[in-house]
Amino acid sequence: GDSVTQMEGPVTLSEEAFLTINCTYTATGYPSLFWYVQYPGEGLQLLLKATKADDKGSNKGFEATYRKETTSFHLEKGSVQVSDSAVYFCALSDTDKLIFGTGTRLQVFP
Amino acid sequence: NAGVTQTPKFRVLKTGQSMTLLCAQDMNHEYMYWYRQDPGMGLRLIHYSVGEGTTAKGEVPDGYNVSRLKKQNFLLGLESAAPSQTSVYFCASSYRGPSGRTDTQYFGPGTRLTVL
Repeated sequence: GDSVTQMEGPVTLSEEAFLTINCTYTATGYPSLFWYVQYPGEGLQLLLKATKADDKGSNKGFEATYRKETTSFHLEKGSVQVSDSAVYFCALSDTDKLIFGTGTRLQVFP
Repeated sequence: NAGVTQTPKFRVLKTGQSMTLLCAQDMNHEYMYWYRQDPGMGLRLIHYSVGEGTTAKGEVPDGYNVSRLKKQNFLLGLESAAPSQTSVYFCASSYRGPSGRTDTQYFGPGTRLTVL
């Protein structure tokens, strides 16, 4: 069945460092791909999405490109802030639901 | 436009008690979902619904029941609570995208349930 694999965390960075969180997927057909963010004590929020191959989703300085040839959707940000500390989930669309990765915790220190 | 709301926000139960969690959405979405999230863990799908009057089992359905009598509401019931059901419960809703697959899910703020 469809699945999503994310790099394990925590990812620990200093402020202004470059961020990459890896996400690869296995799917039949052409799913949409998503990144969600969960801040402490809150529900998940959509960060960005891409609906077809080569699409780039972007929001709040974060970017991810839908790579069909490598079945990947890696999340990147050029300069992280302390306020980016959160858990990040990669997901793909199945017919009736989203398939989520296990989440990657990001900790950014001043 | 409130989005997805959940009631209650917090609850403490004793083992064997029952309760119902309410989820409401005002976005006219077809799909609704119940997840649980244990500390430091990812999301696990309990039950979901693809439309009014329908329900389906997710990954961890045992010990829970659901009902979707109205399109905007999705209820999660615990008939006899157990300590293993201590968790944070999230509701979400979504719509069918142009591809025919489900699209963006919108999440509620969560219900923190403790079973003693």
